[in-house]
Amino acid sequence: EAQVTQNPRYLITVTGKKLTVTCSQNMNHEYMSWYRQDPGLGLRQIYYSMNVEVTDKGDVPEGYKVSRKEKRNFPLILESPSPNQTSLYFCASSFDRTPTNEKLFFGSGTQLSVL
Amino acid sequence: KNQVEQSPQSLIILEGKNCTLQCNYTVSPFSNLRWYKQDTGRGPVSLTIMTFSENTKSNGRYTATLDADTKQSSLHITASQLSDSASYICVVTGNAGNNRKLIWGLGTSLAVNP
Repeated sequence: EAQVTQNPRYLITVTGKKLTVTCSQNMNHEYMSWYRQDPGLGLRQIYYSMNVEVTDKGDVPEGYKVSRKEKRNFPLILESPSPNQTSLYFCASSFDRTPTNEKLFFGSGTQLSVL
Repeated sequence: KNQVEQSPQSLIILEGKNCTLQCNYTVSPFSNLRWYKQDTGRGPVSLTIMTFSENTKSNGRYTATLDADTKQSSLHITASQLSDSASYICVVTGNAGNNRKLIWGLGTSLAVNP
């Protein structure tokens, strides 16, 4: 089944403890992206990648890192999480490198709470 | 400034009734407009994508319309079902330079009651 898989689904951590949220897609998509969603703010893009070893900042990249060593995987890294990073995170992918005319496929989300 | 505004913010209807959600945008030049459905706590799922030349597009009981002159779109849901309860998000893509990005609306939260 074609899908974008995120793990974990829920995560509770403490301030400063490094964590990684994994994202994997099995559709051979070129483009992958991370979003966070907060009440009243909608989806905001954190980072995106148009190809292996190519990543770029989105609208809210501060406090996050990503890597794209393989086409299928795009992990999101929080080196030192803070409470303002408590949010619902989504990974998305698209076949087109610049998904201007193609739909994005989203993962099921990761609810992160930083205490 | 590129913006996407949706109305109403929330809506409650009875099962079986029709409803229409609105999306106004200021993104220019324009590439396409998408509607996504997002169930609570889940990732958005694409319903329709429309380009400049398309006025209407259907996906089952969902029909999206686009008026590129007035920069307005609507999503009409026919014979609503309980499973239609979700947030519906309008997303507009620009078509030039730094404007080639997705601009997300805040969504309309729809509740379908029995």
